This record gives sequence, structure tokens and C-alpha cells, in this order.
Amino acid sequence: LAKTTQPISMDSYEGQEVNITCSHNNIATNDYITWYQQFPSQGPRFIIQGYKTKVTNEVASLFIPADRKSSTLSLPRVSLSDTAVYYCLVGPANSNDYKLSFGAGTTVTVRA
Amino acid sequence: DAGVIQSPRHEVTEMGQEVTLRCKPISGHNSLFWYRQTMMRGLELLIYFNNNVPIDDSGMPEDRFSAKMPNASFSTLKIQPSEPRDSAVYFCASSEATQGHRGYTFGSGTRLTVV
Repeated sequence: LAKTTQPISMDSYEGQEVNITCSHNNIATNDYITWYQQFPSQGPRFIIQGYKTKVTNEVASLFIPADRKSSTLSLPRVSLSDTAVYYCLVGPANSNDYKLSFGAGTTVTVRA
Repeated sequence: DAGVIQSPRHEVTEMGQEVTLRCKPISGHNSLFWYRQTMMRGLELLIYFNNNVPIDDSGMPEDRFSAKMPNASFSTLKIQPSEPRDSAVYFCASSEATQGHRGYTFGSGTRLTVV
């Protein structure tokens, strides 16, 4: 699995956009980039996955440059309820790769 | 679907006692995982089952830990004897193999405190 590096923590205020960048310099051709979100006292939950360019859903957007050596998770107009740990994972999206290896993640704290 | 169901939510036990954590995966998911989360070590994969068969238990810390999956709808993680350093939040997750990394659903966890 490709190694990922992301900031340990980020602070923001309600209504702001939060961008978390994840570095994955040794990403392989068949690797996807997946983000999970973990609220306090809950298990992680899937929020978005992408391979290249841009992916958007109701929760977030994921921007992936052409070289795919990094990616940015964008949370638009955050609220207090977006306070959570965000994990970036990189690996092949096939049934043979079962291990989700979580790093330390990025703790996002949203303040009023 | 009710999601992945874990019980109990909280467990406080004395050192040396046996602890059993329970998990009911999502119906139709053929993979089940047990994770442990602590402040110091983050989320660690303990064991992985596929179609009820243990595939990889290399993350199980020592012989005091054991896990079973007698059928597709139930799994247990047992610690015997328990020690204070086992205090952590234990998560169970299930997935459908075809979903890859996006398809993991975690339970709410069991917070274990060994005193």
C-alpha cells in the first residue's frame, strides 16, 4: 500500500472551506484515493473516492492533479458537526486488497 | 439495514477477567474485520475474515486474543485474561469484496476499560 502523509490537525471556523492535502508520492497506476471520516465515539465512515481529476458528492470534493502524487479533500462551508478525523488511504480498488491501513489522519476542529 | 452492530458499547472489567466482544455484520457482506483504536497506536487491524474463514490474524497482539466467526451473521473477539494495556476502543467492520476500499462499514465500537 502506498504511504500517505497528511497534516496532523487543522482548525477552522463555521462557514469556511477546509482543504486537506494528502501526499502519496509512490502511488501505483491501479491505486485509488479514498477518504474516511471519523466522528468522536464512532467508527470511520467512507466519504469519497477518486482516481483522477475531480470527484464531488454531497459531503465533499476530491481534487487529484494529473501526476496523482497528492490529493486534496475539500469540505465546503464547514459546520461544527464537521469536526472529525479525516483519513486518506491509497490502494488498489479490487477484492484482493482487503487491508484498510489507517494513518494518524487529520483532526479537523471547527469552531463557532 | 441497521448497519454493523456491536455489543456491548462499553465494558469495564478487572484485570485477569475474560472479555467477549460481539459483532453482527451487514447482511450480504462477506468480509469482516476487527480493529483496535488507541491514542498511541491509532487504528490497528487485528484480524480479517472472508466468508467466515480467518484469513489474516497477524495483527492479533498475542495468544490472549482470539476471534471466531461461527456463521455469516456473528463474530466474537475474546480476550482472556484481560490486561490494563488492552484498554481501547474495538471496532468491527464489514464489507462486500467487490466494493474495495469504499465499501467498509464500521460499527460504533466497544470501549473496553480494564482496571
